[in-house]
Amino acid sequence: AQSVTQLDSQVPVFEEAPVELRCNYSSSVSVYLFWYVQYPNQGLQLLLKYLSGSTLVKGINGFEAEFNKSQTSFHLRKPSVHISDTAEYFCAVSVPMNTGFQKLVFGTGTRLLVSP
Amino acid sequence: SQTIHQWPATLVQPVGSPLSLECTVEGTSNPNLYWYRQAAGRGLQLLFYSVGIGQISSEVPQNLSASRPQDRQFILSSKKLLLSDSGFYLCAWSLTSWGEKLFFGSGTQLSVL
Repeated sequence: AQSVTQLDSQVPVFEEAPVELRCNYSSSVSVYLFWYVQYPNQGLQLLLKYLSGSTLVKGINGFEAEFNKSQTSFHLRKPSVHISDTAEYFCAVSVPMNTGFQKLVFGTGTRLLVSP
Repeated sequence: SQTIHQWPATLVQPVGSPLSLECTVEGTSNPNLYWYRQAAGRGLQLLFYSVGIGQISSEVPQNLSASRPQDRQFILSSKKLLLSDSGFYLCAWSLTSWGEKLFFGSGTQLSVL
């Protein structure tokens, strides 16, 4: 079954430092991969997505992610973080269902804590 | 532009009481609608999805049910809440059937005591 694993439950980092949030997926078929961000007491919003084409995907707020098929990874990066980037980040994979519908399966999330 | 409304924002209910959470979408037609639950340390779990009025698919058998009485209205219900129903419930919508981009509501924090 297709799934995603986020190994880091929490990542503390200082402001203006670079950050990488790790995501590994398992799938036997072509995948669509996503990163969502959740600010405190809010719903999730899409940061970026990989559907096909270039393996380096750029998203909102200066984030980017690289699809690596050989390592089955889709790590999220930002060269310089801000305090406002403090949030929970979810990696997700699109999974086909027997109805022909596809659903998003989310990882357990990584809490990014940016301190001054 | 499209908007999604979810209410209430917080809810405290006793065990055994009923539940009704409502979600409405504006600015689009025939959206796919979803209910997710977020439990601490467990990420988001898809509970129900709907591709049209009256069409509900359940992902996880449990104490909850969903209904879609109108095109842009999605309701999550329970006849008798359990302690294990506590969590953060998120409604979402999308236009594609392959889950490309979900637009989430602001969520309901449900505490069952």
